[in-house]
Amino acid sequence: EVQLVQSGAEVKKSGESLKISCKGFENDFSNSWIAWVRQMPGKGLDWMGFIHPYDSDTKYSPSFQGQVTISADKSTNTAYLHWSSLKASDTAMYYCARLGQLDFFCSTTSCYGFFDLWGQGTMVSVSS
Amino acid sequence: DIQLTQSPFTLSASVGDRVTITCRASQYINNWLAWYQQKPGKAPKLLIYKASSVESGVPSRFSGSGSGTEFTLTISNLQPDDFGTYFCQQYNSYSPLTFGGGTKVDMK
Repeated sequence: EVQLVQSGAEVKKSGESLKISCKGFENDFSNSWIAWVRQMPGKGLDWMGFIHPYDSDTKYSPSFQGQVTISADKSTNTAYLHWSSLKASDTAMYYCARLGQLDFFCSTTSCYGFFDLWGQGTMVSVSS
Repeated sequence: DIQLTQSPFTLSASVGDRVTITCRASQYINNWLAWYQQKPGKAPKLLIYKASSVESGVPSRFSGSGSGTEFTLTISNLQPDDFGTYFCQQYNSYSPLTFGGGTKVDMK
């Protein structure tokens, strides 16, 4: 079954590091653009960045550039989102999502398209 | 960045109702708009892309329309499974991706 499976919920303290994962179960995972999307409690959705697992080409939203690191391992069909020093304001649900193959476009700085497949989400709770 | 304004913020409806949600863009985005449904504690699910194209597997009671700056998601004959929050998202390549603030559809 085509799906994205994310790692489990995390409870951390401010200043700690964290890496969460998103594993794809499809042959085309490495050839897809995978995004990370944040949803703060009771709020809307914010895209954080994209990665192409085949060559690890990465594009960050200006709002998240320097705050997180997105990486991937094409041998295991897994994308990652990493914080080196968490803040309480990082408390949120984080989703990985696949960029749809129709009508998408990627420039040197971003990708544009809709998301046709989502992971189940990873809740990250950070206490100060 | 392009701002997307959804209305209403909350909508109370009954099973069988026809429901309409509006998404207005602060700038012209042609038809580069998607709609998602989100249930509590679950990931968003794609319903509509390119303003009016229905994603495979989505019931035919869902439809989208609009172009330019004003868009509509319509649910005809609302079903119990349709209660949740709906988000629009624009993907015009002249501006970073943005999502609307969401419209919660709950039971009257």
